[in-house]
Amino acid sequence: EVHLVESGGGLVQPGGSLRLSCAASGFTFSSYAMSWVRQAPGKGLEWVSGISGSGGSTYYADSVKGRFTISRDNSKNTLYLQMNSLRAEDTAVYYCARIAAADIFDVFDIWGQGTMVTVSS
Amino acid sequence: DIVMTQSPDSLAVSLGERATINCKSSQSVLYSSNNENYLGWYQQKPGQPPKLLIYWASTRESGVPDRFSGSGSGTVFTLTISSLQAEDVAVYYCQQYYSTPITFGQGTRLEIK
Repeated sequence: EVHLVESGGGLVQPGGSLRLSCAASGFTFSSYAMSWVRQAPGKGLEWVSGISGSGGSTYYADSVKGRFTISRDNSKNTLYLQMNSLRAEDTAVYYCARIAAADIFDVFDIWGQGTMVTVSS
Repeated sequence: DIVMTQSPDSLAVSLGERATINCKSSQSVLYSSNNENYLGWYQQKPGQPPKLLIYWASTRESGVPDRFSGSGSGTVFTLTISSLQAEDVAVYYCQQYYSTPITFGQGTRLEIK
């Protein structure tokens, strides 16, 4: 069965850093692009970042560009999101999602349960 | 950026009746080289992650009940639930994956009347 399990969320002070992880199982990880999507409390879905199956192409929302870095380790079937210079407006549930192709221009067909990130002093 | 606008923001429909949710994109998401609309629909129930319902604007994801259907092309799209069931209460989102940044509509909350 296909599974995505996020970890690494928590409470962090403004200006701090966190690294989120997403462990994938049940499919050939390197054959699929992956993405991070966040949802602030009571709000809608916001795409954050995406990465191709090979890891050779990465994409970011303007709101996180220069602060967040997406990466993947295909040998460990794991996706990462390094988040630096965190702001209060980054507070959200962060979902890891599988994209239904090797590049990011396809639907998000599998989603993890999410991990909560709270940025507050 | 492609802006996705859904209407209405909320909708109350009686059990067994039809529910229709609209989505407009600020520019076409139809890719001419393959004639596909890069448009998906998702359902999100409280406390759960989103679930893919429809891709390429009108293709139902495996396991999704056939009362869900998608239509439209270019910039105007519709999600239809032909006969509303109690378990369909959720927020529904459209999404374009034609270009980055990938963008979602603001969501439509569907309730039982």
